[in-house]
Amino acid sequence: NAGVTQTPKFQVLKTGQSMTLQCAQDMNHEYMSWYRQDPGMGLRLIHYSVGAGITDQGEVPNGYNVSRSTTEDFPLRLLSAAPSQTSVYFCASWAGTEAFFGQGTRLTVV
Amino acid sequence: GIQVEQSPPDLILQEGANSTLRCNFSDSVNNLQWFHQNPWGQLINLFYIPSGTKQNGRLSATTVATERYSLLYISSSQTTDSGVYFCAVPGGFKTIFGAGTRLFVKA
Repeated sequence: NAGVTQTPKFQVLKTGQSMTLQCAQDMNHEYMSWYRQDPGMGLRLIHYSVGAGITDQGEVPNGYNVSRSTTEDFPLRLLSAAPSQTSVYFCASWAGTEAFFGQGTRLTVV
Repeated sequence: GIQVEQSPPDLILQEGANSTLRCNFSDSVNNLQWFHQNPWGQLINLFYIPSGTKQNGRLSATTVATERYSLLYISSSQTTDSGVYFCAVPGGFKTIFGAGTRLFVKA
């Protein structure tokens, strides 16, 4: 099993550009989450999903959209990138209380 | 919501030394997890420990839920233990993470 796969691993965007961070899992988990990791702040929850067609906001949702059309995929969209969105992004899927993380996407917005 | 605080924020150890990392949480919780983020950024589950003590090799963890803290013990540290250690209050997709303890183990 591949587990949780995130793409791309690195990305540089210009302010105002949009992009989609991809996340796919092959474990048939219902629960998936997106986090951002900033220095000294741990991981903060952006959006989460409890199953296909169901998403909700986390702690820091502004500037991001998500959708969940299938159990496997949970993409995160940046609508108009801002320098404040420079961060490392992690996708996770959950088997109960056990988390499986992707490798992360390091995003820089210039 | 629940606040999760970790201490110390940074820790430097000589290889072979022991250390204790602390996690305080602001409200009663039903469970708690410890994660290790290695220098390559990969996040790995260490322990799921709502209460009591668990051991896995040189690592062990203790949670005293009634006093709202958890401790992670690292014995005979190795350079591969370097990275960031997070405690988290699991809520599945709503898991709340502490800010982490950054550990560097010198050879």
